[in-house]
This record gives sequence, structure tokens and C-alpha cells, in this order.
Amino acid sequence: AQSVTQLGSHVSVSEGALVLLRCNYSSSVPPYLFWYVQYPNQGLQLLLKYTSAATLVKGINGFEAEFKKSETSFHLTKPSAHMSDAAEYFCAVSDDYNQGGKLIFGQGTELSVKP
Amino acid sequence: EPEVTQTPSHQVTQMGQEVILRCVPISNHLYFYWYRQILGQKVEFLVSFYNNEISEKSEIFDDQFSVERPDGSNFTLKIRSTKLEDSAMYFCASEGTGDTQYFGPGTRLTVL
Repeated sequence: AQSVTQLGSHVSVSEGALVLLRCNYSSSVPPYLFWYVQYPNQGLQLLLKYTSAATLVKGINGFEAEFKKSETSFHLTKPSAHMSDAAEYFCAVSDDYNQGGKLIFGQGTELSVKP
Repeated sequence: EPEVTQTPSHQVTQMGQEVILRCVPISNHLYFYWYRQILGQKVEFLVSFYNNEISEKSEIFDDQFSVERPDGSNFTLKIRSTKLEDSAMYFCASEGTGDTQYFGPGTRLTVL
């Protein structure tokens, strides 16, 4: 069965510092992996996705993630945090290569950015 | 840019009452989903829907739940007899081609 583990329910960084949000997955087949962001009182917005093309994936707002099969990881990074990055971030996995497959989400990581 | 919309944004109901949560997916999308997020917990899959029938449902999606696409634009989730534990944020999502699910802003359901 697929699963996603996000290490750290809450991460706090200073403005301008590196953001690193950790995600490890478990899947019996090569997965599709996603990062979504949820701003307060809003829905989930796709940041980026990995679908077996390049292992380093670039997304919106300066975020990127690297798929590492040997480590079963898909960590999200951003070189320099902005105050506007404060939100909840969810990693998700799907093993259905066709349309219509459900997403399995991690617990989420709340990112705080200090001035 | 097309987006998924959901109504109402907040629904308060008494235990045992029926509720219908409404979603308008992105037009030309073919796959539709409902997820829920209980406060402080992870987002959980409820059900997927394609070609006017359920494709997959989770253990949560018991006989109290049903989905419908009544008119080719709306996608609804009905909870027949609400329980306290149904209180959650319910998200609708739709998917076209491209492996990406687009989520609506959610409906917060409060069962008293």
C-alpha cells in the first residue's frame, strides 16, 4: 500500500533562509509525486509534480523538489524564504499512471517564516 | 484561468440531517474526486467518479455517502444522515489530461 510521511509537522525559518520540507514515500511501483500548498482558508494549489521525467522538478514560486529513488524521498526546497511562503504544504503520491487515480497525502507541514 | 468552485463555503447542520455539498469542476475535465480533511489531520480520499459512475471509494465512503453529476456541470456529495464525526473540510477536485488534480476551495461542514 502506498503511503507518504512528512517529517516535521511544523517548520520555522527566517526570511531569506533555505526552506527544506521533507517527504518520504512508500510505493510498490514507481510513483507519481506531488507537492500542494494550502494558504489559510483556501484550497490546495499544486506546486509541482514528478511523473518519471526529470528527477529535479521545478515548480511555482521558486520551489523545487528532487526525486531520489534510492532514498524514497521527494523533499521540497526553496533557496530563500519569503513571508508569503507561510502556509501548509502537503506531499502526495499516486501510483495510477492513468487519469483517475486517487492521491494519498502526507500529514502536512506548516511552514512559518519569521521576519 | 479555469478553477474548481464549491458551495457553500461553510455549512452548519444538525446531527442526523442530510447535506449536499456542491462542486463545479473545470469544464472539459472528466475525472472528479471528493476528499476531506478533519481539523488537524491529513487530507483523505473519499471517492473518485468517471463516466457517470464511481471509479473507486475509500472505507470512509459508506452507505451514508453518495455522489452525483446531475446536469453535466455540477458534482455533488450527499451525506444522508450526518454524524458529529463528519465535521470536516470537504474538497472537490477535477482532472483532465495531464495527471494533475485541481482542487476547489473547500466546504467546511460543521455538524452540531
